Amino acid sequence: AQTVTQSQPEMSVQEAETVTLSCTYDTSESDYYLFWYKQPPSRQMILVIRQEAYKQQNATENRFSVNFQKAAKSFSLKISDSQLGDAAMYFCAYRRTRSNDMRFGAGTRLTVKP
Amino acid sequence: DSGVTQTPKHLITATGQRVTLRCSPRSGDLSVYWYQQSLDQGLQFLIQYYNGEERAKGNILERFSAQQFPDLHSELNLSSLELGDSALYFCASSVDGGRMNEQFFGPGTRLTVL
Repeated sequence: AQTVTQSQPEMSVQEAETVTLSCTYDTSESDYYLFWYKQPPSRQMILVIRQEAYKQQNATENRFSVNFQKAAKSFSLKISDSQLGDAAMYFCAYRRTRSNDMRFGAGTRLTVKP
Repeated sequence: DSGVTQTPKHLITATGQRVTLRCSPRSGDLSVYWYQQSLDQGLQFLIQYYNGEERAKGNILERFSAQQFPDLHSELNLSSLELGDSALYFCASSVDGGRMNEQFFGPGTRLTVL
């Protein structure tokens, strides 16, 4: 079974600084997708960034980037120049190619201090 | 705003009752997914429909059922409700149920079972 582990229940960062959220996953598949979702207090689930396992290049979206280490089964999210609006729960998710069953980690609550 | 709508926003009911949650996908999306987010189980995939047909099943209880109608909206039916069914229920949609299709989440329906 595929599992997703987020070992940091809570993280905090000073505004304008950089923070990295950790995620590891367990799979025997070689073709899959990884995602980071943000859930602000409004509870809306918002896709932050995604990575296809067959791509070696790390995905980036503006201030958000990932460090994808396929052999280590690690998929961390780096948020640069943190803003107050980045405060939210962040969920790491995994989905294998031939499945629509997306598995989520338990989440990391990020606090941004002004 | 993801373009996915869910009604109602909040629902309060009693144990043993039955409720129906409704989801309208984004225009053009054929696939609908249902997720349950509870405090103890985290975010879990329940079921997926694609163009009216069930495509994938996750951790959905037998007391729960879903369907997708010809106009592509979907309903999740929860019956014989228990206290543990209290959760946030999300609907997501994607263009199809295939490979790298981003799932867009609705705002969720918060169900409280008393």
